[in-house]
Amino acid sequence: QVQLVHSGAEVKPPGASVRISCKASGYTFTSYYIHWVRQAPGQGLEWMGIIIPSGGSTNYPQKFQGRVTMTRDTSTSTVYMELSSLRSEDTAIYYCARELVGGHFDYWGQGTPVTVSS
Amino acid sequence: QTVVTQEPSLTVSPGGTVTLTCASSTGAVTSDYYANWFQQKPGQAPRALIYTTSNRHSWTPARFSGSLLGGRAALTLSGVQPEDEADYYCLLMQSNAWVFGGGTKLTVL
Repeated sequence: QVQLVHSGAEVKPPGASVRISCKASGYTFTSYYIHWVRQAPGQGLEWMGIIIPSGGSTNYPQKFQGRVTMTRDTSTSTVYMELSSLRSEDTAIYYCARELVGGHFDYWGQGTPVTVSS
Repeated sequence: QTVVTQEPSLTVSPGGTVTLTCASSTGAVTSDYYANWFQQKPGQAPRALIYTTSNRHSWTPARFSGSLLGGRAALTLSGVQPEDEADYYCLLMQSNAWVFGGGTKLTVL
């Protein structure tokens, strides 16, 4: 069965970076896009960007450009999301989600809580 | 910066019908926006319900349907069940980027 499994919770000080992983299984890793979405406490969902595992290309919204980096390791079917220069507003649950090209979102990971606090 | 707008909250009686909508600040939503709908219950990850405007996933109950309605994407729940109480989010693709709506809190009362 399809699974997207996140790495564990993180606590980071302001100004640090965090790297979260999302390990895919149960399907052909390079046949689906992976998106990253975050949700601050009590808030809605926010799209952070996309990585295409087959070639590694990425697309980030302007808000996160320069601060987010998405990569993948095809040997382990894992995608990574690194967010730098953390501030308190980055405290959130970070999710990966799968898309079949053409806007067909389906499976989501369980999420990784990230807390930014001194 | 594109803004996607949903009703902040709606209330429906069990067995009733309710329509949630999703509007774009850029204009009328069409099939080219590849609207997706997600359900989220407290403490859980979002769950996909509808993709590309009107297609249900294999796990999506038949009482959920997606459409375009008056220039908006719409999610209609017919024969609402108590377990449908949740937050619902739409997602639209615009200019090679994806934008979530602010979410609708659906209360079944």
